[in-house]
Amino acid sequence: EAGVAQSPRYKIIEKRQSVAFWCNPISGHATLYWYQQILGQGPKLLIQFQNNGVVDDSQLPKDRFSAERLKGVDSTLKIQPAKLEDSAVYLCASSLSGGAVYNEQFFGPGTRLTVL
Amino acid sequence: QKEVEQNSGPLSVPEGAIASLNCTYSDRVSQSFFWYRQYSGKSPELIMSIYSNGDKEDGRFTAQLNKASQYVSLLIRDSQPSDSATYLCAGSSGTYKYIFGTGTRLKVLA
Repeated sequence: EAGVAQSPRYKIIEKRQSVAFWCNPISGHATLYWYQQILGQGPKLLIQFQNNGVVDDSQLPKDRFSAERLKGVDSTLKIQPAKLEDSAVYLCASSLSGGAVYNEQFFGPGTRLTVL
Repeated sequence: QKEVEQNSGPLSVPEGAIASLNCTYSDRVSQSFFWYRQYSGKSPELIMSIYSNGDKEDGRFTAQLNKASQYVSLLIRDSQPSDSATYLCAGSSGTYKYIFGTGTRLKVLA
């Protein structure tokens, strides 16, 4: 079974530029998550989708971050404009269903973003 | 109090010993708990999940949950140098959102 796919794996941009990340979840997984992991910290949830609807985006900086999952499968996360503090690893994860206690999440390889 | 707390370490144990990793949590995180292993530069990998009080064993790993004390732990028996990594504890809240601790760095000394 293929795992969660993400691209690109690395990205270096100047501050105030824009960047987009792509994620394809495990086949059949209804719930998709985007996390931000800053070095030395645990992952922080940015947004959670159930199929193509947003379940939780309370920690998404909406003035600069946006995400979509139009057909309920793959998803894109965009930052515009980027700030220095956005330098982090952006992780995508998926689970069979977010609405269950036993919702084990599986992570993709991540995208390491460096903002100069 | 942080929602999920872990000692950042590093925790150093000799090869072959038992490594004990601990995690405490607040009232906001109450339903299910997960342990992830994260090697440097890699993404988190699920090791164990536990939902009810008591112990759950899987190979060299044992997860322990004590909801009265709001405490969850991971024991690694016969630790190997390949177990050296950061171990992340996560709990899920009422909305099934994961909240992660900052992780404990484990070093297994050969």
